[in-house]
Amino acid sequence: GAVVSQHPSWVICKSGTSVKIECRSLDFQATTMFWYRQFPKQSLMLMATSNEGSKATYEQGVEKDKFLINHASLTLSTLTVTSAHPEDSSFYICSARIFGREGRTDTQYFGPGTRLTVL
Amino acid sequence: AQSVAQPEDQVNVAEGNPLTVKCTYSVSGNPYLFWYVQYPNRGLQFLLKYITGDNLVKGSYGFEAEFNKSQTSFHLKKPSALVSDSALYFCAAPVMNRDDKIIFGKGTRLHILP
Repeated sequence: GAVVSQHPSWVICKSGTSVKIECRSLDFQATTMFWYRQFPKQSLMLMATSNEGSKATYEQGVEKDKFLINHASLTLSTLTVTSAHPEDSSFYICSARIFGREGRTDTQYFGPGTRLTVL
Repeated sequence: AQSVAQPEDQVNVAEGNPLTVKCTYSVSGNPYLFWYVQYPNRGLQFLLKYITGDNLVKGSYGFEAEFNKSQTSFHLKKPSALVSDSALYFCAAPVMNRDDKIIFGKGTRLHILP
Protein backbone atom coordinates (compact mmCIF):
# COMPACT_ATOMS: atom_id res chain seq x y z
CA GLY A 1 0.00 0.00 0.00
CA ALA A 2 0.91 3.65 -0.28
CA VAL A 3 3.13 4.96 2.52
CA VAL A 4 3.02 8.42 4.00
CA SER A 5 5.59 9.64 6.51
CA GLN A 6 5.59 12.60 8.87
CA HIS A 7 8.44 14.34 10.59
CA PRO A 8 8.87 14.96 13.41
CA SER A 9 6.74 12.43 15.25
CA TRP A 10 6.65 14.67 18.28
CA VAL A 11 7.83 18.15 19.10
CA ILE A 12 7.86 20.35 22.17
CA CYS A 13 8.32 24.07 21.72
CA LYS A 14 8.05 27.31 23.62
CA SER A 15 5.14 29.63 23.17
CA GLY A 16 5.75 32.13 20.40
CA THR A 17 8.01 29.96 18.30
CA SER A 18 7.17 28.40 14.95
CA VAL A 19 7.14 24.71 14.20
CA LYS A 20 7.32 23.03 10.80
CA ILE A 21 5.87 19.58 10.19
CA GLU A 22 6.70 17.64 7.04
CA CYS A 23 4.47 15.17 5.25
CA ARG A 24 5.93 12.96 2.54
CA SER A 25 4.44 10.39 0.22
CA LEU A 26 7.18 7.79 -0.04
CA ASP A 27 6.18 5.54 -2.90
CA PHE A 28 3.72 7.57 -4.89
CA GLN A 29 3.13 11.09 -6.10
CA ALA A 30 0.40 13.03 -4.42
CA THR A 31 -0.96 16.14 -6.06
CA THR A 32 -3.28 16.53 -3.10
CA MET A 33 -2.45 16.23 0.57
CA PHE A 34 -4.60 16.97 3.57
CA TRP A 35 -3.87 18.26 7.05
CA TYR A 36 -5.99 17.19 9.98
CA ARG A 37 -6.03 18.04 13.63
CA GLN A 38 -7.15 15.58 16.27
CA PHE A 39 -7.98 16.54 19.83
CA PRO A 40 -7.80 13.92 22.59
CA LYS A 41 -10.55 11.34 22.33
CA GLN A 42 -12.07 13.12 19.37
CA SER A 43 -12.33 12.58 15.67
CA LEU A 44 -10.20 14.15 12.98
CA MET A 45 -10.92 17.68 11.84
CA LEU A 46 -9.86 18.66 8.35
CA MET A 47 -7.81 21.86 8.49
CA ALA A 48 -6.83 22.34 4.88
CA THR A 49 -6.31 20.76 1.52
CA SER A 50 -2.84 21.16 0.10
CA ASN A 51 -2.47 21.21 -3.67
CA GLU A 52 0.88 20.89 -5.37
CA GLY A 53 1.92 24.12 -7.02
CA SER A 54 -0.99 26.19 -5.78
CA LYS A 55 -2.37 27.72 -2.62
CA ALA A 56 -3.90 25.55 0.03
CA THR A 57 -7.62 25.55 0.62
CA TYR A 58 -8.48 26.14 4.25
CA GLU A 59 -11.58 24.98 6.06
CA GLN A 60 -13.82 27.52 7.67
CA GLY A 61 -12.45 28.72 10.97
CA VAL A 62 -8.85 27.74 10.29
CA GLU A 63 -6.46 30.69 10.25
CA LYS A 64 -4.34 30.55 7.12
CA ASP A 65 -1.77 32.94 8.58
CA LYS A 66 -1.47 30.76 11.62
CA PHE A 67 -1.16 27.46 9.82
CA LEU A 68 1.02 27.94 6.76
CA ILE A 69 0.90 25.16 4.22
CA ASN A 70 3.34 24.65 1.38
CA HIS A 71 3.13 21.86 -1.18
CA ALA A 72 6.26 22.45 -3.19
CA SER A 73 6.60 19.03 -4.79
CA LEU A 74 4.52 16.00 -5.62
CA THR A 75 5.85 14.17 -2.57
CA LEU A 76 6.13 16.85 0.11
CA SER A 77 3.76 19.12 1.95
CA THR A 78 4.68 21.13 5.02
CA LEU A 79 2.56 22.65 7.76
CA THR A 80 4.09 25.47 9.76
CA VAL A 81 2.41 26.49 12.98
CA THR A 82 3.45 30.10 13.40
CA SER A 83 3.76 31.80 16.77
CA ALA A 84 2.55 28.69 18.50
CA HIS A 85 0.56 28.93 21.70
CA PRO A 86 -0.50 26.25 24.18
CA GLU A 87 -3.93 25.99 22.58
CA ASP A 88 -2.22 24.83 19.38
CA SER A 89 -1.05 21.72 21.19
CA SER A 90 -2.60 18.80 19.39
CA PHE A 91 -2.02 15.75 17.23
CA TYR A 92 -1.57 16.78 13.61
CA ILE A 93 -2.07 14.17 10.91
CA CYS A 94 -1.51 14.47 7.20
CA SER A 95 -2.85 12.30 4.45
CA ALA A 96 -2.27 11.96 0.73
CA ARG A 97 -4.40 10.82 -2.11
CA ILE A 98 -3.40 9.40 -5.45
CA PHE A 99 -5.06 11.84 -7.76
CA GLY A 100 -7.76 11.06 -10.21
CA ARG A 101 -7.98 7.32 -10.03
CA GLU A 102 -11.43 7.20 -8.53
CA GLY A 103 -12.32 10.74 -7.62
CA ARG A 104 -14.52 10.92 -4.56
CA THR A 105 -13.87 7.32 -3.71
CA ASP A 106 -10.11 7.71 -3.64
CA THR A 107 -8.53 6.25 -0.56
CA GLN A 108 -6.59 8.63 1.61
CA TYR A 109 -3.36 7.30 3.07
CA PHE A 110 -2.44 8.77 6.42
CA GLY A 111 0.83 9.65 8.00
CA PRO A 112 1.65 8.51 11.54
CA GLY A 113 0.92 11.92 13.01
CA THR A 114 2.89 14.58 14.88
CA ARG A 115 2.24 15.34 18.52
CA LEU A 116 2.82 19.05 19.14
CA THR A 117 3.13 20.34 22.69
CA VAL A 118 3.50 24.08 23.19
CA LEU A 119 4.72 25.13 26.61
CA ALA B 1 -26.73 17.36 6.18
CA GLN B 2 -24.36 14.51 5.57
CA SER B 3 -23.22 12.61 8.60
CA VAL B 4 -21.63 9.42 9.78
CA ALA B 5 -22.54 8.11 13.19
CA GLN B 6 -20.86 5.61 15.43
CA PRO B 7 -23.29 5.01 18.28
CA GLU B 8 -20.83 3.26 20.58
CA ASP B 9 -17.92 5.03 22.24
CA GLN B 10 -16.42 1.72 23.32
CA VAL B 11 -16.90 -1.95 22.54
CA ASN B 12 -15.48 -4.76 24.65
CA VAL B 13 -15.09 -8.24 23.18
CA ALA B 14 -13.40 -11.35 24.48
CA GLU B 15 -10.55 -12.68 22.40
CA GLY B 16 -11.74 -15.26 19.92
CA ASN B 17 -15.30 -13.96 19.86
CA PRO B 18 -16.82 -12.24 16.85
CA LEU B 19 -16.79 -8.45 16.94
CA THR B 20 -18.99 -5.77 15.44
CA VAL B 21 -18.36 -2.03 15.37
CA LYS B 22 -21.41 -0.11 14.27
CA CYS B 23 -21.71 2.72 11.78
CA THR B 24 -24.75 4.39 10.28
CA TYR B 25 -24.72 7.02 7.60
CA SER B 26 -26.77 9.83 6.18
CA VAL B 27 -25.35 10.89 2.82
CA SER B 28 -26.74 12.18 -0.43
CA GLY B 29 -26.59 10.12 -3.57
CA ASN B 30 -24.68 6.88 -3.74
CA PRO B 31 -22.90 6.29 -0.45
CA TYR B 32 -19.20 5.67 -0.48
CA LEU B 33 -18.03 4.46 2.90
CA PHE B 34 -14.69 3.77 4.52
CA TRP B 35 -13.34 2.19 7.67
CA TYR B 36 -10.05 3.26 9.19
CA VAL B 37 -8.20 2.06 12.29
CA GLN B 38 -5.95 4.13 14.53
CA TYR B 39 -3.46 2.63 16.94
CA PRO B 40 -2.22 4.74 19.89
CA ASN B 41 -0.24 7.81 18.80
CA ARG B 42 -0.43 6.74 15.18
CA GLY B 43 -2.16 7.98 12.08
CA LEU B 44 -5.09 6.19 10.49
CA GLN B 45 -4.73 3.01 8.53
CA PHE B 46 -7.15 2.16 5.74
CA LEU B 47 -9.11 -1.03 6.35
CA LEU B 48 -11.69 -1.20 3.60
CA LYS B 49 -14.19 0.76 1.55
CA TYR B 50 -17.53 0.30 -0.13
CA ILE B 51 -18.12 1.86 -3.53
CA THR B 52 -20.60 -0.36 -5.28
CA GLY B 53 -21.30 -4.01 -5.92
CA ASP B 54 -21.26 -6.70 -3.26
CA ASN B 55 -22.67 -5.58 0.04
CA LEU B 56 -20.03 -7.53 1.93
CA VAL B 57 -16.65 -5.88 1.62
CA LYS B 58 -13.50 -7.65 2.72
CA GLY B 59 -10.54 -5.67 3.98
CA SER B 60 -7.24 -5.82 5.79
CA TYR B 61 -6.42 -7.91 8.87
CA GLY B 62 -9.43 -10.17 8.41
CA PHE B 63 -11.98 -7.40 8.77
CA GLU B 64 -15.09 -7.11 6.66
CA ALA B 65 -18.01 -4.73 6.54
CA GLU B 66 -21.57 -5.17 5.46
CA PHE B 67 -23.34 -2.41 3.58
CA ASN B 68 -27.07 -2.33 4.32
CA LYS B 69 -28.96 0.25 2.31
CA SER B 70 -32.32 -0.25 4.00
CA GLN B 71 -30.80 0.26 7.44
CA THR B 72 -28.27 2.85 6.21
CA SER B 73 -25.57 0.97 8.02
CA PHE B 74 -22.01 -0.12 7.33
CA HIS B 75 -20.99 -2.21 10.33
CA LEU B 76 -17.44 -3.48 10.67
CA LYS B 77 -17.05 -7.12 11.58
CA LYS B 78 -14.50 -9.79 12.27
CA PRO B 79 -15.29 -13.46 12.98
CA SER B 80 -12.66 -13.96 15.67
CA ALA B 81 -11.14 -11.04 17.57
CA LEU B 82 -7.47 -10.73 18.45
CA VAL B 83 -6.00 -8.73 21.30
CA SER B 84 -3.99 -6.84 18.68
CA ASP B 85 -7.27 -5.58 17.19
CA SER B 86 -7.63 -3.25 20.17
CA ALA B 87 -7.61 0.24 18.68
CA LEU B 88 -9.77 3.19 17.70
CA TYR B 89 -11.96 2.63 14.66
CA PHE B 90 -13.39 5.34 12.45
CA CYS B 91 -16.15 5.10 9.89
CA ALA B 92 -15.96 7.78 7.18
CA ALA B 93 -17.61 9.04 4.02
CA PRO B 94 -16.70 11.64 1.39
CA VAL B 95 -18.66 14.87 1.40
CA MET B 96 -21.02 15.45 -1.50
CA ASN B 97 -19.65 17.95 -4.02
CA ARG B 98 -16.32 18.02 -2.24
CA ASP B 99 -13.82 15.82 -3.96
CA ASP B 100 -11.35 16.32 -1.17
CA LYS B 101 -13.23 16.19 2.10
CA ILE B 102 -14.03 13.16 4.20
CA ILE B 103 -16.23 13.27 7.26
CA PHE B 104 -15.38 10.92 10.07
CA GLY B 105 -17.51 9.39 12.75
CA LYS B 106 -16.48 10.17 16.30
CA GLY B 107 -14.68 6.85 16.59
CA THR B 108 -15.25 3.66 18.56
CA ARG B 109 -12.64 2.30 20.89
CA LEU B 110 -12.42 -1.45 20.63
CA HIS B 111 -11.05 -3.40 23.57
CA ILE B 112 -10.28 -7.07 23.05
CA LEU B 113 -10.03 -8.83 26.37
CA PRO B 114 -7.55 -11.69 26.63
